Parts: sequence; structure tokens; C-alpha cells
Amino acid sequence: DADVTQTPRNRITKTGKRIMLECSQTKGHDRMYWYRQDPGLGLRLIYYSFDVKDINKGEISDGYSVSRQAQAKFSLSLESAIPNQTALYFCATSSLDTQYFGPGTRLTVL
Amino acid sequence: DQQVKQNSPSLSVQEGRISILNCDYTNSMFDYFLWYKKYPAEGPTFLISISSIKDKNEDGRFTVFLNKSAKHLSLHIVPSQPGDSAVYFCAASERGFKTIFGAGTRLFVKA
Repeated sequence: DADVTQTPRNRITKTGKRIMLECSQTKGHDRMYWYRQDPGLGLRLIYYSFDVKDINKGEISDGYSVSRQAQAKFSLSLESAIPNQTALYFCATSSLDTQYFGPGTRLTVL
Repeated sequence: DQQVKQNSPSLSVQEGRISILNCDYTNSMFDYFLWYKKYPAEGPTFLISISSIKDKNEDGRFTVFLNKSAKHLSLHIVPSQPGDSAVYFCAASERGFKTIFGAGTRLFVKA
């Protein structure tokens, strides 16, 4: 079984809809992250959490929110999706610096 | 302002030859550097790292070199194999804090 799982793997939605992406990890790490990947821009940090009670904004948090439901679970929400949020989204976890990534969620906002 | 830059979007190399991927950074507080490899439809996977107290770290065919004065690191793959074809991300962090990733370099290894 994969150490980091993401659901859904693919999602097509319409502008204005609320979307939630979920992430679970079995590595027992305290730290979890959400990134988005866009062509030519690499991986950009949306939010990160160093433990269950800690939530921090990353480089591009506008339009996103997160919830850390447990050590193993970290979800990302788009309250009102817009087309420029079309991207590949990755969840990751780490104990310190080395991060372990999920397989990604491809989100398309029409 | 990009703190971690990979200026070559792509690189093509013949099988058996050396692949050299480059990365520059601007933040002198970064003290830990990593390379990740990403195949299509998969998440990035950790490849190799180096602490700022070292200038070289080697793991099999992969070697990372760090030049702190130039704020430059490079990943050498010798010999390159077709299975190495992937996107490579350079990353940097202040140890224990958040990590900043570069834009990635797509490596093509031709058989």
C-alpha cells in the first residue's frame, strides 16, 4: 500500500463549485504539505502543517483553505473554484526535510 | 522572486554519457539541498540530498555537488540510462523549515 494517498485522482468541476481534496499518510510523520504544480513553475507550496495544531500559509494560499483532521489526514479545499486553479495538486509528508509525495490529483476547473 | 532556479527546462543526453543538471539559489540561509525525480502520473520521489557542511554527496550513479560561494548545486548522473528520463526538481530549505522547489528540468536519455 502507498504511504501517501490522495483522493480523488482526477476531478473536473465548474467555476464557483466547492472542492475538497483529501490526503492520508501512513508514515507516522507530523509534517504535511499541499503543493500545486504548473508547467514552468515547478512545485509551489499552498499550505503546510508541522503538527495537528499547526497550520501555515505557503507561497500561494489565496483561494485555498486546509484542515488537519488528524496526524494522518490533511485536506485542501477550494471554496469557490476558478479556472486558474486548474493544476496538478500534490500532498506530501515529512519527518524533517525529506518529503514523501502522494500520486497527485489532476484538477480541472471549467 | 524565485529563490531556487533551474534555468534549463530540458536536457537531452545519450545513454551511457553523463547528465549534469544545474540549480542556483539566492537565499544564503538555505543549509540543506535535495533533488527529487518525477515520472509522469506519479508524485516526486526523493533522490539525493546534501547538507551545507559538505560539498559532495554520492549515491551510486548519482552525485550532488554544492558550491556555497556561488550558491550553486548540480546533480551528476553517470552513466545515464533511459530509465533516468524524468523531471528533476532541485529543492532547498533552512533545516527544519519549509522547502522551496525549483521549476524542474526534464531529462531525456536517448538509447
